[in-house]
Amino acid sequence: EPEVTQTPSHQVTQMGQEVILRCVPISNHLYFYWYRQILGQKVEFLVSFYNNEISEKSEIFDDQFSVERPDGSNFTLKIRSTKLEDSAMYFCASRFLSTGDPFEQFFGPGTRLTVL
Amino acid sequence: AQKITQTQPGMFVQEKEAVTLDCTYDTSDQSYGLFWYKQPSSGEMIFLIYQGSYDEQNATEGRYSLNFQKARKSANLVISASQLGDSAMYFCAMREGPGANNLFFGTGTRLTVIP
Repeated sequence: EPEVTQTPSHQVTQMGQEVILRCVPISNHLYFYWYRQILGQKVEFLVSFYNNEISEKSEIFDDQFSVERPDGSNFTLKIRSTKLEDSAMYFCASRFLSTGDPFEQFFGPGTRLTVL
Repeated sequence: AQKITQTQPGMFVQEKEAVTLDCTYDTSDQSYGLFWYKQPSSGEMIFLIYQGSYDEQNATEGRYSLNFQKARKSANLVISASQLGDSAMYFCAMREGPGANNLFFGTGTRLTVIP
């Protein structure tokens, strides 16, 4: 069964460093998403991406964040200068373009980012 | 105001019993969708069940059913015949609007199944 994959599973970085989190969405999916979950808290939407551009973003997704689909398979989230509060689990999700419900998003296993 | 409210931080259920996890939502849109996801200790998010706002029947998927009460804006998850493997965090989420992209999640309920 096709699935969303994410690498690395765990990333440790120093405050102020740049990190790139990688995702390979399901191959025929056209909408891509990043969410984050700070430890013990709820999952929060960061950004959605369609047709090679951002379609929606939350207030969390400030200028420190960027997304890119550098080729036909990868979808990346870059944090330019990490802060301690960026420590969280980052989930990538994708969905097939559908004109009807359920608009189900398939989630990857997550990347745990630890900023020291 | 919170779009999704889960008032039960933790729940316990005896193995083989049924359990209801509560979820209420807040939206003024007529078209929306409600989802439940399971998050085991390994961390991944597993889709369980979906209910569209225009669906007249409650959604069911195996041992999972969604008790959708539109007037009360509630979308409770019912797990029948609980198994030890059901122990996990459960998140209710909402897609708001017909073409909306992002999901709003609740704070989750930690379910523990007791042998």
